Amino acid sequence: SQQGEEDPQALSIQEGENATMNCSYKTSINNLQWYRQNSGRGLVHLILIRSNEREKHSGRLRVTLDTSKKSSSLLITASRAADTASYFCATDAGGGGNKLTFGTGTQLKVEL
Amino acid sequence: GAVVSQHPSRVICKSGTSVKIECRSLDFQATTMFWYRQFPKKSLMLMATSNEGSKATYEQGVEKDKFLINHASLTLSTLTVTSAHPEDSSFYICSARGRGNFGEAFFGQGTRLTVV
Repeated sequence: SQQGEEDPQALSIQEGENATMNCSYKTSINNLQWYRQNSGRGLVHLILIRSNEREKHSGRLRVTLDTSKKSSSLLITASRAADTASYFCATDAGGGGNKLTFGTGTQLKVEL
Repeated sequence: GAVVSQHPSRVICKSGTSVKIECRSLDFQATTMFWYRQFPKKSLMLMATSNEGSKATYEQGVEKDKFLINHASLTLSTLTVTSAHPEDSSFYICSARGRGNFGEAFFGQGTRLTVV
């Protein structure tokens, strides 16, 4: 079963606007990661936030993590048409196996 | 970042035949590789975890005799779909993590399998 639920499932915005995606999870985690997937392609790692971190930035990306609410958000500022893709959160519970459990994903469309 | 190469990117096969998908880590030693299946506009479903030199660990509901995984070296893992059926048509993606790497996973480009 999926660990993470993301909302919205789909998001359509205009270029230049900000896009916010949310992820909720159920169990304790070691870290949470966000990935991007272009249609029919593999996943590209965007950013990792550890369980003891609350906020992290990378370029136009801003990730927050609230372990008390078991939720995270990904903010893409000043979006571009090239940001059109699916975005997934993935949780790493640590321990043996190093497995990542992926959320349901948000399909982002940025229109010109 | 590290590079994971997955081959082939697309394959069409007839029902009843077997198909092998390769996943290679090009510039690091992948002690653990993961195989996922993804349905259209859906999330990734973990099928199995393979560690170099040992048997793969399959997730519940995944038939290990149908989806054969071999992780013979630190740079190569293969997934063989045996006796392929149209319902096996899907997008298969591998990912890899190196020794002591508890951070990001590196993904292959994925393989679109169509069984006719």
